[in-house]
Amino acid sequence: DIQMTQSPSTLSASVGDRVTITCWASQSISRWLAWYQQKPGKAPKLLIYEASSLESGVPSRFSGSGSGTEFTLTISSLQPDDFATYYCQQYNSYPGTFGQGTKVEIK
Amino acid sequence: QVQLVQSGAEVKKPGASVKVSCKASGYTFTDYAIHWVRQAPGQSLEWMGWINAANGNTKYSQKFQGRVTITRDTSATTAYMELSSLRSEDTAVFYCARGWDVSTYHRLWGQGTLVTVSS
Repeated sequence: DIQMTQSPSTLSASVGDRVTITCWASQSISRWLAWYQQKPGKAPKLLIYEASSLESGVPSRFSGSGSGTEFTLTISSLQPDDFATYYCQQYNSYPGTFGQGTKVEIK
Repeated sequence: QVQLVQSGAEVKKPGASVKVSCKASGYTFTDYAIHWVRQAPGQSLEWMGWINAANGNTKYSQKFQGRVTITRDTSATTAYMELSSLRSEDTAVFYCARGWDVSTYHRLWGQGTLVTVSS
């Protein structure tokens, strides 16, 4: 199975900060990577697919980049609603695997 | 609207089985697959398996092979995930999610079903 590693595990930031989360794949996954946001007690919500395509309805302050084995999710100006846990997922090959998550906390 | 609605929370004893349902509405059920994902308390997401809703083909994670069975009822537009030989480590929220293929991202998720395994 392809292993997905996220960094950092926890991130403390303030409203208005630029935030970057990194995700590495244990082997090349081309651009077959998605990012999700999850809030406590809720299902994950798709933010980004194919590494950089913004899901409909997701604010433009979210962006994704990368290819191969290294990917980033950037929030250009953190808003109160963005405090949550973020997961990357590779879907290049079966089984789809998720990163361990990055919790974005209020500083 | 387009949605997946899962069955309610369950409490099971070790060694028992649980069957969780996922009812699809608002789209053509057989145009997509249904995946099942487990999330233990405070942990990440773990793919368990999928079913092609059109032809019933399934594929399971090696971790759950032999303990998980995913089925579907096209007339009821519902998918099911049954997990047997439950142990305390299976206490988790189980999600169904829609996809296109065995490896896919998930635009649509169910609300989750908490399964608690306790003696």
